[in-house]
Amino acid sequence: GEDVEQSLFLSVREGDSSVINCTYTDSSSTYLYWYKQEPGAGLQLLTYIFSNMDMKQDQRLTVLLNKKDKHLSLRIADTQTGDSAIYFCAESIGESYKLSFGAGTTVTVRA
Amino acid sequence: NAGVTQTPKFQVLKTGQSMTLQCAQDMNHNSMYWYRQDPGMGLRLIYYSASEGTTDKGEVPNGYNVSRLNKREFSLRLESAAPSQTSVYFCASSDLAGGGNEQFFGPGTRLTVL
Repeated sequence: GEDVEQSLFLSVREGDSSVINCTYTDSSSTYLYWYKQEPGAGLQLLTYIFSNMDMKQDQRLTVLLNKKDKHLSLRIADTQTGDSAIYFCAESIGESYKLSFGAGTTVTVRA
Repeated sequence: NAGVTQTPKFQVLKTGQSMTLQCAQDMNHNSMYWYRQDPGMGLRLIYYSASEGTTDKGEVPNGYNVSRLNKREFSLRLESAAPSQTSVYFCASSDLAGGGNEQFFGPGTRLTVL
């Protein structure tokens, strides 16, 4: 998805917080998503946020949405080795069936 | 529930060969999708089927055809494979009834075209 941008790599120490950032360009996005892909597997939905929300928290995950700057972030508290994966940001627009994905951020958790 | 299943898991083809990637879902979802994943490019939509009996092109449809065989099954065909089609292919399904368009993904097919 050329309209959704993410940094490609993030390295974090075990126990620290991870913050993965994403920018999108379409102001009419209705839902924004975070997917996780573990090695050799398909994508799994972690969480999503409706565009009229600023924040969503789900256990160790916190999603922040800044609509003015078209910026989405995912914070993972107390990062564990099992959090090592590729994280994709995605947006859907209006009633569209289609999702537009970013290139993915590879998160590596080091001991 | 098996969720979304894909066959085969791996495939090697020679340039010009044809093959069909199979996908099935048991969640009674209306919509199904085919994506390809290439390094540094995320997922790109090839084709999708909003409901049984309909198919539409996505972002990168050239070189592919699809068939929505029934509500459960959505296949992707490469008529004449090219090295540029070396990729990981993912099938997904969703049900828009509740909004939010959460898509459920299969485990992928890793295709190499020589």
